[in-house]
Amino acid sequence: KNEVEQSPQNLTAQEGEFITINCSYSVGISALHWLQQHPGGGIVSLFMLSSGKKKHGRLIATINIQEKHSSLHITASHPRDSAVYICAVSSSNSGYALNFGKGTSLLVTP
Amino acid sequence: ETGVTQSPTHLIKTRGQQVTLRCSSQSGHNTVSWYQQALGQGPQFIFQYYREEENGRGNFPPRFSGLQFPNYSSELNVNALELDDSALYLCASSPDPLGYGYTFGSGTRLTVV
Repeated sequence: KNEVEQSPQNLTAQEGEFITINCSYSVGISALHWLQQHPGGGIVSLFMLSSGKKKHGRLIATINIQEKHSSLHITASHPRDSAVYICAVSSSNSGYALNFGKGTSLLVTP
Repeated sequence: ETGVTQSPTHLIKTRGQQVTLRCSSQSGHNTVSWYQQALGQGPQFIFQYYREEENGRGNFPPRFSGLQFPNYSSELNVNALELDDSALYLCASSPDPLGYGYTFGSGTRLTVV
């Protein structure tokens, strides 16, 4: 099983701060996903990446395949960014089902 | 139709009962996965269906079973409910079994008393 570790578990930031959430995994993957989950449960897919870097608005995701590590960055954070951010990986030996980290709970205060 | 719809949103059942949770996927999404998320934990993979056949299963007992239908809907059935089955159950669909383009539903919150 691919172990997925996220850090930090909890994060509090002031509005406007630059935020980084980290994810590491133990074995080779086909893709890594960053997901956002708001209270109440619904999950939104933010990024899927297998190499390099992707950017969408104030969100940036990077992955280093050799180091088995990915980061999610939020620039100019805003209170509406408060949510749980989850890293998940898929690989051929798991039938491409997602293996999730426990999530990082982010609170951005005004 | 866009998006993934799960029903019901909330459900309370008694230990020992059986429950059926439903998921309606986007048209063309021939792969559906079900996940269990306990409070404060990341989701855990239950099983995946591709073109109406189960093609992957996580570490869940046989009392967790599923079906996928030709109209892109699917079901998760749980027999002999236990208190530890209380969780958020998430459905995710994708247009291919490699998992590209996952779309998640909002989940069904199951409470077993």
